[in-house]
Amino acid sequence: AQSVSQHNHHVILSEAASLELGCNYSYGGTVNLFWYVQYPGQHLQLLLKYFSGDPLVKGIKGFEAEFIKSKFSFNLRKPSVQWSDTAEYFCAVNANTGGFKTIFGAGTRLFVKA
Amino acid sequence: DTGVSQDPRHKITKRGQNVTFRCDPISEHNRLYWYRQTLGQGPEFLTYFQNEAQLEKSRLLSDRFSAERPKGSFSTLEIQRTEQGDSAMYLCASSLRGHSSYNEQFFGPGTRLTVL
Repeated sequence: AQSVSQHNHHVILSEAASLELGCNYSYGGTVNLFWYVQYPGQHLQLLLKYFSGDPLVKGIKGFEAEFIKSKFSFNLRKPSVQWSDTAEYFCAVNANTGGFKTIFGAGTRLFVKA
Repeated sequence: DTGVSQDPRHKITKRGQNVTFRCDPISEHNRLYWYRQTLGQGPEFLTYFQNEAQLEKSRLLSDRFSAERPKGSFSTLEIQRTEQGDSAMYLCASSLRGHSSYNEQFFGPGTRLTVL
């Protein structure tokens, strides 16, 4: 069965610090990978996605993620965080088999100190 | 607002009662998903519709849960004989079928259910 593991449940950073949130998944086949973000009081929204091609994908607001197939990982990065990045971040995987079930990780709460 | 809407936003009920939630997807989206999210967890897939056809259901969706999308537009999720363990946020999402098997899902604000 597919599963998604996010390494940190809570992260606290100061503004301008670099961010890396870990995500590992378990599935042996081809996958589609996603990072979603939920800002306080707002809906879940897509931050970035990987389907195929360049394993380094860029998303909104300066975020990027790298797909490393050999490590079953899809870590999220941002070189310099801002206070407005305070949010909960979810990694998700969908097996590229034509099915539609998307598995989410438990989420990482990021708090950025001004 | 042309995003996904859900009604009600909050529902408090007593154990044993039935509840029904509604989701209105983005108008041109033909795919609709229901998820459940509990505290400290990510969304858990419940079921999926393409137009009016329910194509996939999670084992989480017990016999007390039923979902419909009768005309391929809005959807309802009903929970019968609610239990305290049903307390959660119920999320709806929609997407537009395209070339790939997956398209970006747009989420609604959710319905928070509290079972007393």
